Amino acid sequence: EIVLTQSPGTLSLSPGERATLSCRASRSVSSSYLAWYQQRPGQAPRLLIYGASSRATGIPDRFSGSGSGTDFTLTISRLEPEDFAVYYCQQFDSSRFTFGQGTKLEIK
Amino acid sequence: EVQLVESGGGLVKPGGSLRLSCAASGFTFDNFGMNWVRQAPGKGLEWVSCITGSSDYIYYADSVKGRFTVSRDNAKNSLYLQMNSLRAEDTAVYYCARGGGYSFVDYWGQGILVTVSS
Repeated sequence: EIVLTQSPGTLSLSPGERATLSCRASRSVSSSYLAWYQQRPGQAPRLLIYGASSRATGIPDRFSGSGSGTDFTLTISRLEPEDFAVYYCQQFDSSRFTFGQGTKLEIK
Repeated sequence: EVQLVESGGGLVKPGGSLRLSCAASGFTFDNFGMNWVRQAPGKGLEWVSCITGSSDYIYYADSVKGRFTVSRDNAKNSLYLQMNSLRAEDTAVYYCARGGGYSFVDYWGQGILVTVSS
């Protein structure tokens, strides 16, 4: 089973700053099979990025994904107040989905 | 507009059973694989099960294999999760989620709470 490790666990930034979230896999993941989700408090998760770098429908272009192999990154170019939430990466392998443990993005 | 609405959650004793339902609308249901994903209180996301559009292929997480059964009724645009031999560690919010493409989830329901406690 591929294990996804996200870092940092908590990221404290201010609105307008740039956020860089990391997702590292225990072995190589196909870029086609790496996704990112946002979960605000009390809400269901929302798909942000699929295929490592493709934005989902309606997602602002301040969100971008990159990476390959075992190292993937979600970047938020300029933080808006509504971006403070928990972010999860997810991979698909051997007909199984696995999620990272999440990165909490909090207001500094 | 894609809508997924879960029902059937609640409080159940350890060893008991519960059946979750998910009513889907706003898309051609049988064209999409469907998933169940859960989230224990204060914890992260855990994938539970998926089923293809025609029910040809079904997969489970090791943590629920042999206890949970996923099914769907395409005529009713509905997804189900039969949960047997429930344990305290199955306590979670359960989300119904549509498969987007092959390897991710693109729409989520609002979730339904299942509590396993004596």
